[in-house]
Amino acid sequence: DSGVTQTPKHLITATGQRVTLRCSPRSGDLSVYWYQQSLDQGLQFLIQYYNGEERAKGNILERFSAQQFPDLHSELNLSSLELGDSALYFCASSVDSGTSYGYTFGSGTRLTVV
Amino acid sequence: DQQVKQNSPSLSVQEGRISILNCDYTNSMFDYFLWYKKYPAEGPTFLISISSIKDKNEDGRFTVFLNKSAKHLSLHIVPSQPGDSAVYFCAAKSGGSNYKLTFGKGTLLTVNP
Repeated sequence: DSGVTQTPKHLITATGQRVTLRCSPRSGDLSVYWYQQSLDQGLQFLIQYYNGEERAKGNILERFSAQQFPDLHSELNLSSLELGDSALYFCASSVDSGTSYGYTFGSGTRLTVV
Repeated sequence: DQQVKQNSPSLSVQEGRISILNCDYTNSMFDYFLWYKKYPAEGPTFLISISSIKDKNEDGRFTVFLNKSAKHLSLHIVPSQPGDSAVYFCAAKSGGSNYKLTFGKGTLLTVNP
């Protein structure tokens, strides 16, 4: 157990639907990062939140949005889903201070859009 | 624009031999590099890292080498074990207060008994 909890582990939904992926960071970590891993693709950075505020944005589609709540858990909302959104979605957390640069990843949510 | 490149999608080695995984980067602002290992159905886990002010970092069977002039780093695993079979991701951090990591596409290492 890495300490980062992602739910659900698997999600199957139809095109056009909306889903919410949830992430609880490791205790003490203030930053949450969301990454997408599609087939044959690396980890594509989507968005970062730090202590409740958006800090960095990557190649995140306008149909996707995220937020980080006061208790530091984060949710990634995916709407108007398309077949191409099928992927593994990883959440990672980190302290983001000093020389602590590594992330702790959750085990991911596998999204299948049919 | 892929700033971190792992040009070998896969690598197969015999148990006991050396595994060398390569990574190239284009952004000269990167100041810290990390390697992650990922098993199926699990998230990536941190393996080893190196600061841009160093050219080598060693941790047990794992050594990372950094060649800044060539913008190239490599991960050496000696000796390779079947349990090392996994996808290895190279990642890089830009300088300053930005802690975001940019990842490569990964290399699937298979260590044959």
